[in-house]
Amino acid sequence: DAKTTQPPSMDCAEGRAANLPCNHSTISGNEYVYWYRQIHSQGPQYIIHGLKNNETNEMASLIITEDRKSSTLILPHATLRDTAVYYCLRAQGAQKLVFGQGTRLTINP
Amino acid sequence: GAVVSQHPSWVICKSGTSVKIECRSLDFQATTMFWYRQFPKQSLMLMATSNEGSKATYEQGVEKDKFLINHASLTLSTLTVTSAHPEDSSFYICSGARLASGYEQYFGPGTRLTVT
Repeated sequence: DAKTTQPPSMDCAEGRAANLPCNHSTISGNEYVYWYRQIHSQGPQYIIHGLKNNETNEMASLIITEDRKSSTLILPHATLRDTAVYYCLRAQGAQKLVFGQGTRLTINP
Repeated sequence: GAVVSQHPSWVICKSGTSVKIECRSLDFQATTMFWYRQFPKQSLMLMATSNEGSKATYEQGVEKDKFLINHASLTLSTLTVTSAHPEDSSFYICSGARLASGYEQYFGPGTRLTVT
């Protein structure tokens, strides 16, 4: 049980912002939201994580709703190299990450 | 920072032999390491959680006598697939957890195992 829900696939035009939604309606108060992506035949790459505040780093922004039941990962200026499977996960501390099927994001030229 | 390496990146072995895969955290200490496997077109499935200096905790359905995990130091964990069979062919990925604001898990590049 991945405990998060994501659309199976999305498309985005190169140069535009890619907004990837995730539902985690049963998240508990001490669980963080994590985002990873996996490019074909590689290990997952850490993107960002957050607890309740919005977060931004050099890769992406994470917007978490006030009730924490959902979040959105934003890639501000998508490039072709951002084509990957994006996983939204929730975990507390150094707990194991349970991967669902993720969202297959395709960036189109 | 936060780099995890795996060796080898790919390996082919014959049925019945054993294969060892190494996972190293290069620039941080990982008190907890995880081992996953991924079959084609499927998501990652956790096999076991390993804490330095203690026995690994295996997920339901994963044979601990077949998949031997050793986490002898804060930067090295090994997975040995014993008496490998063709159905063990898969992509094996490790990760190390680094304490940050919450924990961040950093994944290795994976090891492609093919058993003939």
